[in-house]
Amino acid sequence: DQQVKQNSPSLSVQEGRISILNCDYTNSMFDYFLWYKKYPAEGPTFLISISSIKDKNEDGRFTVFLNKSAKHLSLHIVPSQPGDSAVYFCAARYGGSQGNLIFGKGTKLSVKP
Amino acid sequence: SQTIHQWPATLVQPVGSPLSLECTVEGTSNPNLYWYRQAAGRGLQLLFYSVGIGQISSEVPQNLSASRPQDRQFILSSKKLLLSDSGFYLCAWSVSRGQGKLFFGSGTQLSVL
Repeated sequence: DQQVKQNSPSLSVQEGRISILNCDYTNSMFDYFLWYKKYPAEGPTFLISISSIKDKNEDGRFTVFLNKSAKHLSLHIVPSQPGDSAVYFCAARYGGSQGNLIFGKGTKLSVKP
Repeated sequence: SQTIHQWPATLVQPVGSPLSLECTVEGTSNPNLYWYRQAAGRGLQLLFYSVGIGQISSEVPQNLSASRPQDRQFILSSKKLLLSDSGFYLCAWSVSRGQGKLFFGSGTQLSVL
């Protein structure tokens, strides 16, 4: 049973435009959400996070939005750059401050020049 | 600075053969250590985590085991590999449990034939 779902396996965006990556979750007990970015032949790297008590967190070109009522979060990248081309994983924490993460399957973003 | 080393990058093993994947972390003490696996079409699944030497917690019952013989060394093992053990294995560390911010190694692509 997938508790963190990234329903789009891939996304293609033109350079300079906005990239929106989506993630849905089923467990209302998740209290912390993260996005990781993964390049080929490398491990995922932390990108941005958001606590469940917030609805938005911004870091440069990256913004994460959380809609708790819809159990939905999204990652916005503005403007998109070719170097953003990677697989993006959504993750949610369960078990509180000593909890572990559940990851989605990932979405492959391609930013075309 | 902290670094995490994981090897080998790729591994092809016959069914029934043993497995040993090693992960070491440098530049930090008493890290929390994790083994994740991504099977084809699945998200990253937490297999084991460790908060200290000799302390191993298993998230899912499986054909694998983990050990932490030294503070910054984490080993994933199997006595007899199954076809279903194929996947991309990632080692990760964090400063504290539940922090969510994991630092991943570059991964091992294991193919069991």
